[in-house]
Amino acid sequence: AQKVTQAQTEISVVEKEDVTLDCVYETRDTTYYLFWYKQPPSGELVFLIRRNSFDEQNEISGRYSWNFQKSTSSFNFTITASQVVDSAVYFCALSEEGGKLVFGKGTKLTVNP
Amino acid sequence: EAQVTQNPRYLITVTGKKLTVTCSQNMNHEYMSWYRQDPGLGLRQIYYSMNVEVTDKGDVPEGYKVSRKEKRNFPLILESPSPNQTSLYFCASSPGQGLGEQFFGPGTRLTVL
Repeated sequence: AQKVTQAQTEISVVEKEDVTLDCVYETRDTTYYLFWYKQPPSGELVFLIRRNSFDEQNEISGRYSWNFQKSTSSFNFTITASQVVDSAVYFCALSEEGGKLVFGKGTKLTVNP
Repeated sequence: EAQVTQNPRYLITVTGKKLTVTCSQNMNHEYMSWYRQDPGLGLRQIYYSMNVEVTDKGDVPEGYKVSRKEKRNFPLILESPSPNQTSLYFCASSPGQGLGEQFFGPGTRLTVL
């Protein structure tokens, strides 16, 4: 069965610190997709990234970067030089062929000025 | 504007009174899904639909019904709501059989007294 674990329930950092959000997943499928979503205090869910199981290249988008390691079943998310606007709940999610989508319980990130 | 709409946005009801939350998307997506969000539990999938007339159970389908008679609409039906269904509900649509980015609606906050 699919499972996504975000062990960090809450993280608090000071602005300009780097922070890494952990995501560990379980799946029996060889084809699957991993996602990160952001939920700011306003409540909407914002897509950040999608990665398929055959593409282990790390990705960087501005201050955001993602590290996908199949060997450890992890898909970690790093924010460099964090800003107050990064304060949000971040969700990691896993989708397999067949349509079922499983989310982690989320990590609440607070960036203090 | 490409979007997913949900109605109502807020609803307070009483135990046992049937209700429907509507969801509509204008992006011609095949895949649609319902999630509930509860504190400490993250997002949990209720039902999903890969296409018209095709629906499947997610992780928490008990007490809910769905239908997919048209591609754009995916209503969530609570035949006999109970207090444990008090939650924040999100509808989402996605291209590509659920393996693509999920486009989320704004959420419906439901309280069952």
